[in-house]
Amino acid sequence: DAKTTQPTSMDCAEGRAANLPCNHSTISGNEYVYWYRQIHSQGPQYIIHGLKNNETNEMASLIITEDRKSSTLILPHATLRDTAVYYCIVRVGNQGGKLIFGQGTELSVKP
Amino acid sequence: DAGVIQSPRHEVTEMGQEVTLRCKPISGHNSLFWYRQTMMRGLELLIYFNNNVPIDDSGMPEDRFSAKMPNASFSTLKIQPSEPRDSAVYFCASSLDWNTEAFFGQGTRLTVV
Repeated sequence: DAKTTQPTSMDCAEGRAANLPCNHSTISGNEYVYWYRQIHSQGPQYIIHGLKNNETNEMASLIITEDRKSSTLILPHATLRDTAVYYCIVRVGNQGGKLIFGQGTELSVKP
Repeated sequence: DAGVIQSPRHEVTEMGQEVTLRCKPISGHNSLFWYRQTMMRGLELLIYFNNNVPIDDSGMPEDRFSAKMPNASFSTLKIQPSEPRDSAVYFCASSLDWNTEAFFGQGTRLTVV
């Protein structure tokens, strides 16, 4: 599975957009980009995923560059409850493709 | 659906004892994952199953660890004998298929003293 690189930590003001970058320069054609987050003392929570097109759901938007070597997760209006560790994962698309978590980005949303 | 259900939520045991962690995946999901989380090593994939068959157990740390999935609605992770370094939060997750999102349980916090 491709390795991902994320900043260790980021701050964001409440109400502003949080933009979390991820590099995955060795991604293969059949690998999806997944984003999860883990709020303290809880299990990881799925946010969004994509292959090559930009994606949006009720939680966030995922912007994937044309060469697919990097992506950005956007939380459009961050709240204090979005404070969490955010994980960018590339997942190979075969039977039962496994999720390998890196160290993630610790996002702190401040009032 | 109640989501992925893990039991117990907390387990304290003495070194050398056998520990069994349990997981009930979401009904209809075909893939099941066991993870371990520690401060030092983060989230580590231990083993995952697809259609009740173990696909990759390369993350299982030692022979003391074993996992089974006797049917589509139940899985166990057993540690025998347990050691203090096994203390961690163990998460179970399930997903519908290979390219769909995984849903995680609330975890079992294991403390081996």
